[in-house]
Parts: sequence; C-alpha cells; structure tokens
Amino acid sequence: AQKVTQAQTEISVVEKEDVTLDCVYETRDTTYYLFWYKQPPSGELVFLIRRNSFDEQNEISGRYSWNFQKSTSSFNFTITASQVVDSAVYFCALSEVGASGTYKYIFGTGTRLKVLA
Amino acid sequence: DVKVTQSSRYLVKRTGEKVFLECVQDMDHENMFWYRQDPGLGLRLIYFSYDVKMKEKGDIPEGYSVSREKKERFSLILESASTNQTSMYLCASSLAGGSSYEQYFGPGTRLTVT
Repeated sequence: AQKVTQAQTEISVVEKEDVTLDCVYETRDTTYYLFWYKQPPSGELVFLIRRNSFDEQNEISGRYSWNFQKSTSSFNFTITASQVVDSAVYFCALSEVGASGTYKYIFGTGTRLKVLA
Repeated sequence: DVKVTQSSRYLVKRTGEKVFLECVQDMDHENMFWYRQDPGLGLRLIYFSYDVKMKEKGDIPEGYSVSREKKERFSLILESASTNQTSMYLCASSLAGGSSYEQYFGPGTRLTVT
C-alpha cells in the first residue's frame, strides 16, 4: 500500500542552524510524484517542490535543498541557515495512479519545525 | 497567482445539521480536492473531482458528499454533522494531468460540531 512517513513529529533548532526533514515513502508504482508543502501558522499550505520518479537529481533553491534517493525511498528536505520565518509544519506527499486507474494522493503526518531566535 | 477561497474560516454547527463548505478557485483548474486535517493524522483526502459533475472518493468519504456544478466551485456537504467531523477542512485545486501537478490550497475552514 502507498504510504508516506515523516517520523519527526517536531524539531526545534536555533536560528542559523541547518535542519533536515525526513520523508520516506512506499509505493509499487514506477511512475509517481513527490511533493513538499509548507504550512505556516496562517494555515494555508504552500507548494515548495515536485519531483517525478524518473528524476533523481537533487535540487537547490536558495536555502532549501532536496535529496531524492529511490534506493532508500526517501525524499529529504534540508534548510540551510534556518530563520524564524521557516517555522511551520512541513508535509511530504506522494501522488500516483492507483491500480484501478484512479488517482491517489497521500500526505505524511507532517513535521513541525520551530526555529528559535 | 492561483487563488483558492473557502466560504468560512470558522464554523460552528450542531449535531445533525446539514453543513455546506464552499470552495472557489479562479485559475480554471480541472481538478479540485477536499481534505480534512487532524493532529497526528496529516491530510486525508475525502473526495476529489477531475471535471464538472465528476467525482471520485478519496480515503475517507463516509459521512460526506460533494457537488461540482461549475468548474470553479466544489462543495463539500455533511448531510448530518457529527462531533467526529470536527476538524480543519482544506480545499485544493490543480491542473489536469492526473496526479502529476502540485495542488494549491485554500486557507481552510475550521469546523466545530457541538
């Protein structure tokens, strides 16, 4: 069955520290997509990145970077030099076409990141 | 910018009431979704729609129904609200193309059923 695991429920770091949020997924499909979303205290989820299963290149966007490894079914997210504005809940998500041809969207339970000044 | 709006940020209803949650998107997206978000459970898909009048059950459709009469609007209906439906409800939309596109979310409706 499809599953997304974010084992870290809550992480606290001091400003300027680097932090990595873990995401492990399970799927039987060869074609799937992985996403990261940020949910700030205001509540609205914001899309951060999408990766398809055929593209294992790591990506860097400013202080954010993502490491996709199919061999370990992981799609980890690192924030370099964290800032207080990075405080939020971060969700990892998996989407694919299920066996019956319907779409499946599975979110992890989220990791709450607290960046302390 | 994609804009997804939800009719209410906070809603308080009584057990047994019929509840309508409305969602509107302004980017001509084909797909629309309803999720509920509960502490420790993340987001769980209730229903989604890939076209007008089309709908698919998600993981937890029991106790809910949906309506999509116009492309931009997707309504979630609680036929007879119960206390276990107290939750945060999130609407989202995305382009067509199956599961490949990112979703854009509304601000959420926090529903309390007493």
